[in-house]
Amino acid sequence: DGGITQSPKYLFRKEGQNVTLSCEQNLNHDAMYWYRQDPGQGLRLIYYSQIVNDFQKGDIAEGYSVSREKKESFPLTVTSAQKNPTAFYLCASSIVAGGRNEQFFGPGTRLTVL
Amino acid sequence: GQQLNQSPQSMFIQEGEDVSMNCTSSSIFNTWLWYKQDPGEGPVLLIALYKAGELTSNGRLTAQFGITRKDSFLNISASIPSDVGIYFCAGQNYGGSQGNLIFGKGTKLSVKP
Repeated sequence: DGGITQSPKYLFRKEGQNVTLSCEQNLNHDAMYWYRQDPGQGLRLIYYSQIVNDFQKGDIAEGYSVSREKKESFPLTVTSAQKNPTAFYLCASSIVAGGRNEQFFGPGTRLTVL
Repeated sequence: GQQLNQSPQSMFIQEGEDVSMNCTSSSIFNTWLWYKQDPGEGPVLLIALYKAGELTSNGRLTAQFGITRKDSFLNISASIPSDVGIYFCAGQNYGGSQGNLIFGKGTKLSVKP
């Protein structure tokens, strides 16, 4: 089945540790995105990538890092510099052509800092 | 960053009733999308709109791209318990980076069985 997978579903981290969230898609989409969702809030863009080996900061990139070495994969690292990392993280992908802007989301990873 | 104004924030309705929610923006949009999110899951795309005045249906759901290009509406007819969840609008404004969306804060729908 085509789709977006995120792993793990739940992640616990001790303060001061870096942690990497996985996102993989087999939709052959060029663009991939990472969002953060807090209770009662909309989705806030962390980073996005429109082509391999290129990515851009979103609205809340501080304390996060990404890489885009393969079209299918866009891992997000939450570093110890992120002061309030407990949140629900969503990965999405989309086609970047023909004026279509539909983003498709993975199931999310809930990160809790202990 | 810019956010859309989505209303209402939450609503409780009786099963069988119709539901309406909307999103407004201070700038012109060229795309409006509507998503539904169940608890602990990722949002699922319901309807995509690309032309001003466009009216599109998906089962009991109907969405419209406002004529002013600054708003969009979602209607759910004859609501059922599985309609419970959070509905998000999202849009892309003219001049924005291709593919990047702005999201509303969501409308939480609760249905009384």
